[in-house]
Amino acid sequence: SQKIEQNSEALNIQEGKTATLTCNYTNYSPAYLQWYRQDPGRGPVFLLLIRENEKEKRKERLKVTFDTTLKQSLFHITASQPADSATYLCALDDNYGQNFVFGPGTRLSVLP
Amino acid sequence: DGGITQSPKYLFRKEGQNVTLSCEQNLNHDAMYWYRQDPGQGLRLIYYSQIVNDFQKGDIAEGYSVSREKKESFPLTVTSAQKNPTAFYLCASSITGQGNTEAFFGQGTRLTVV
Repeated sequence: SQKIEQNSEALNIQEGKTATLTCNYTNYSPAYLQWYRQDPGRGPVFLLLIRENEKEKRKERLKVTFDTTLKQSLFHITASQPADSATYLCALDDNYGQNFVFGPGTRLSVLP
Repeated sequence: DGGITQSPKYLFRKEGQNVTLSCEQNLNHDAMYWYRQDPGQGLRLIYYSQIVNDFQKGDIAEGYSVSREKKESFPLTVTSAQKNPTAFYLCASSITGQGNTEAFFGQGTRLTVV
């Protein structure tokens, strides 16, 4: 089965800096990779989806890259704000295309 | 407004009791899922359903049961066989269940065994 690692359990950065979160996977390469945001006590919210044939995807201050050779996705938040503080989860489609496999998440804290 | 609704938000259960968590969606999605989340951990898949009257076990199905009698509804029963049921339970749905469609999550049910 797929194993997903996210770079660190927690990441603290200063407001205005760029936050970079990492998602690494083993075994098979997924056709799609997604990123979600989860606030405490709430369900995750979808942010971005990137396909295996796409190198990069952007949405406002968010940027996702997908390197199938390295089996890695990077998630960037530029000009970070305290409101960006949350846990960020990466998710991959499973090998059968029937459900999502989630990583453990990285808790981001943006300090004012 | 379209969405996915879980109830109740908080649930307390005595040891040895079965409890059922509700999940309803009006998004006309075919696929529905149940995940469990423990403190500081990611989401682990309990059960999923791609179509009405069909469902599949996920990674941690033991001690849980589900039904999918209607497209809109996917209730989860936590049975007394689940040895450590205290957790945050999340229900989700997606259009097709394939990775090219996003998952929509409910607000979760926090279950505590007392």
